[in-house]
Amino acid sequence: QSVLTQPPSVSGAPGQRVTISCTGSSSNIGAGYDVHWYQQLPGTAPKLLIYGNSNRPSGVPDRFSGSKSGTSASLAITGLQAEDEADYYCQSYDSSLSAFYVFGTGTKVTVL
Amino acid sequence: QVQLVQSGAEVKKPGASVKVSCKVSGYTLTELSMHWVRQAPGKGLEWMGGFDPEDGETIYAQKFQGRVTMTEDTSTDTAYMELSSLRSEDTAVYYCASYRAPMVRGPYDYWGQGTLVTVSS
Repeated sequence: QSVLTQPPSVSGAPGQRVTISCTGSSSNIGAGYDVHWYQQLPGTAPKLLIYGNSNRPSGVPDRFSGSKSGTSASLAITGLQAEDEADYYCQSYDSSLSAFYVFGTGTKVTVL
Repeated sequence: QVQLVQSGAEVKKPGASVKVSCKVSGYTLTELSMHWVRQAPGKGLEWMGGFDPEDGETIYAQKFQGRVTMTEDTSTDTAYMELSSLRSEDTAVYYCASYRAPMVRGPYDYWGQGTLVTVSS
């Protein structure tokens, strides 16, 4: 079981804004560890979308933004486009002994 | 540009072992912290283990302790992940994923294309 919880799905019409939450605890996000976000298109490997809570790698559109507060983080997609339909995962570090690097449960974004 | 190229799909019987390779190009293996992540069919991403630059050791998720071994051949810039005592629940796509050392707890900038391992009798 993942220690980072995300909603199973979110949806929105083209042009709308959607947000995905990532809820952790005091041993991971709440401990101050960075949160990273990945986009996984069907049948492909994940791709880094946001790193260090709110930074975009080169080439990632500024429609994608990240934030972190307390024991949670969020990914926002503004101006939703058809090509944004994918699975999204948050990832952080956990200081417990079961797993050090942890992923969120994943969220399917559907463009209506 | 960094590329991670993994070995091909495998079909194994329960109880067997599998060894997946991940060849690095564009960087040397010593410039990266290499990790392994798996994804069961229709499921999420699961971290298995990887090299921790802070301690200089390979660390494993408790779930896989004793059953997984991750090694590196720096002469060929190839990383390996071997999983033993396979069971049907190990059927998954296995990814190598890395970030640039000496960063600690970095994001995974680079991913392999994935290797499907099917465990079936």
